[in-house]
Amino acid sequence: GAVVSQHPSRVICKSGTSVKIECRSLDFQATTMFWYRQFPKQSLMLMATSNEGSKATYEQGVEKDKFLINHASLTLSTLTVTSAHPEDSSFYICSVPGPGLLYNEQFFGPGTRLTVL
Amino acid sequence: DQQVKQNSPSLSVQEGRISILNCDYTNSMFDYFLWYKKYPAEGPTFLISISSIKDKNEDGRFTVFLNKSAKHLSLHIVPSQPGDSAVYFCAASLITQGGSEKLVFGKGTKLTVNP
Repeated sequence: GAVVSQHPSRVICKSGTSVKIECRSLDFQATTMFWYRQFPKQSLMLMATSNEGSKATYEQGVEKDKFLINHASLTLSTLTVTSAHPEDSSFYICSVPGPGLLYNEQFFGPGTRLTVL
Repeated sequence: DQQVKQNSPSLSVQEGRISILNCDYTNSMFDYFLWYKKYPAEGPTFLISISSIKDKNEDGRFTVFLNKSAKHLSLHIVPSQPGDSAVYFCAASLITQGGSEKLVFGKGTKLTVNP
């Protein structure tokens, strides 16, 4: 399966600062990447779909000005949590669709644990 | 509105026995279903999937059953092994109007296989 990396794996920051999370597809180029957020004992919630060369598509209720997504290249997407607050503390995971069929599985990164103090 | 539901937050079974994880969904537009396995502090890993036009898919010790009329699917693991202990997420795939695929996840079921 595809290898997807995320950096950093864990970050602790003060309220009001911005945090950037990188997601890299190491095995193949990805025109689309997905960003999820998971709160404790909750399901993974899709935040946005990152599209290389165009704007990200955000899910309903996700603030695009707060969660900035940049799909800089076919192997890199970044999520920036701007002016982070304690309620933004969560586990952020990116995924890359498998190559080939449209209904193929997604390959997930290891996740980034964000703690905002 | 929870479109994909996993009503059992946890399940405990003995090694060698069968584990059955259940998932219910409400949206009849879902056309593909997937099971993911997740260890703490890691991203989910794909386990097995099934198309909505099938009722069963088997891969080694893992079998997924789909009952479309009941909007219910289940993952069977037999025989269960201690290494299967993890959180299992049921996910359903939806093709959006824009033509992209979207996965909707359940809350997960924590499986513990006791030696």
